[in-house]
Amino acid sequence: GAGVSQSPSNKVTEKGKDVELRCDPISGHTALYWYRQRLGQGLEFLIYFQGNSAPDKSGLPSDRFSAERTGESVSTLTIQRTQQEDSAVYLCASSLWPRSTSYNEQFFGPGTRLTVL
Amino acid sequence: GENVEQHPSTLSVQEGDSAVIKCTYSDSASNYFPWYKQELGKRPQLIIDIRSNVGEKKDQRIAVTLNKTAKHFSLHITETQPEDSAVYFCAASVTGYQKVTFGTGTKLQVIP
Repeated sequence: GAGVSQSPSNKVTEKGKDVELRCDPISGHTALYWYRQRLGQGLEFLIYFQGNSAPDKSGLPSDRFSAERTGESVSTLTIQRTQQEDSAVYLCASSLWPRSTSYNEQFFGPGTRLTVL
Repeated sequence: GENVEQHPSTLSVQEGDSAVIKCTYSDSASNYFPWYKQELGKRPQLIIDIRSNVGEKKDQRIAVTLNKTAKHFSLHITETQPEDSAVYFCAASVTGYQKVTFGTGTKLQVIP
């Protein structure tokens, strides 16, 4: 089947506006992750969903960031009152566990490049 | 929580030479260590992983070693080729708790 998809691929917004980023995980994957990757930097963990368990929000940088996931399907990451420092590529990943034989192999989406002017 | 450090941040090698990237982790409970490769403008993809019950794993030109006592693991690429040029990320996680902590990445450049 299809891999992880994300939309939009690119988003340009003005400072102070809200944005919503979408992730469609691989069908049947129980875990879903959001990461932020600033230009030339590493993968910064934001939030993790596992089935119906409470999400791990420990990586969200401020209360302007929030995410939702309905069951084991699509997830949306919302950034309110965007700031220039929010400019980055936002990557989503999903994994199949515990049925996977590769432990926590994560399958990444192509990312959404967010530019805040 | 887990902290993963990765060195070097950049690495240039001549084509055909070997490249080694090293990572250390802090949580002794971590037992799964994947490596991801991210080519320019593309998404990260898993290239090899190792579990804590083995000390070494090899797949063609790439190998990973793990020293649980010292809490460090390394990626070795032999006979490097230009297509190996990319950013490599190490990571660590605990089975049963899926949060994965990534290192800061190593930009590998293979010079033809």
